[in-house]
Amino acid sequence: GNSVTQMEGPVTLSEEAFLTINCTYTATGYPSLFWYVQYPGEGLQLLLKATKADDKGSNKGFEATYRKETTSFHLEKGSVQVSDSAVYFCALISAQKLVFGQGTRLTINP
Amino acid sequence: IAGITQAPTSQILAAGRRMTLRCTQDMRHNAMYWYRQDLGLGLRLIHYSNTAGTTGKGEVPDGYSVSRANTDDFPLTLASAVPSQTSVYFCASRKDWVGTDTQYFGPGTRLTVL
Repeated sequence: GNSVTQMEGPVTLSEEAFLTINCTYTATGYPSLFWYVQYPGEGLQLLLKATKADDKGSNKGFEATYRKETTSFHLEKGSVQVSDSAVYFCALISAQKLVFGQGTRLTINP
Repeated sequence: IAGITQAPTSQILAAGRRMTLRCTQDMRHNAMYWYRQDLGLGLRLIHYSNTAGTTGKGEVPDGYSVSRANTDDFPLTLASAVPSQTSVYFCASRKDWVGTDTQYFGPGTRLTVL
């Protein structure tokens, strides 16, 4: 079945560092792809999405490009802030329902 | 606009007890979902409802039941709780069950079964 694999965490960076969180997927066809973020003590929020190959989703300085050649949707940010500390989930739509990766915990130190 | 509310926020429950987790949304969304979140496993779908009056089983439905009597409410019931059901439970909704509309999540219920 369709699935998502994320890089294992936790990831710890210093403020203003460059961030990459890897995400690859296995799917039939070309599903829509998503990044969700979960801040401490809260539910998940949509961060960005891409609905077709080569689309780039962006929001709050984060970007991810839908790469069908490498079946990837890596999350990047050029300069992270302490407030970006959260758990990040990559996901795809399969049979009209979201399928999530296991999540990557990100901690940004001042 | 409250979005999605869940109750209780947290609960400690003795094994064997019955428990209902409540979920209400005020966005008039047709589709609703229940997930459990466990460390290292991400979110796993328990049950879903594409529209009021219909429900379906997700990835991990055993030990759980749901009902969808109206558009707004989607309660999750544990008939006889077991320690392996200790988890954080999230309710979610989106406008329609097809397409790529944003899925919104509630704040979660932390359940501990002893």
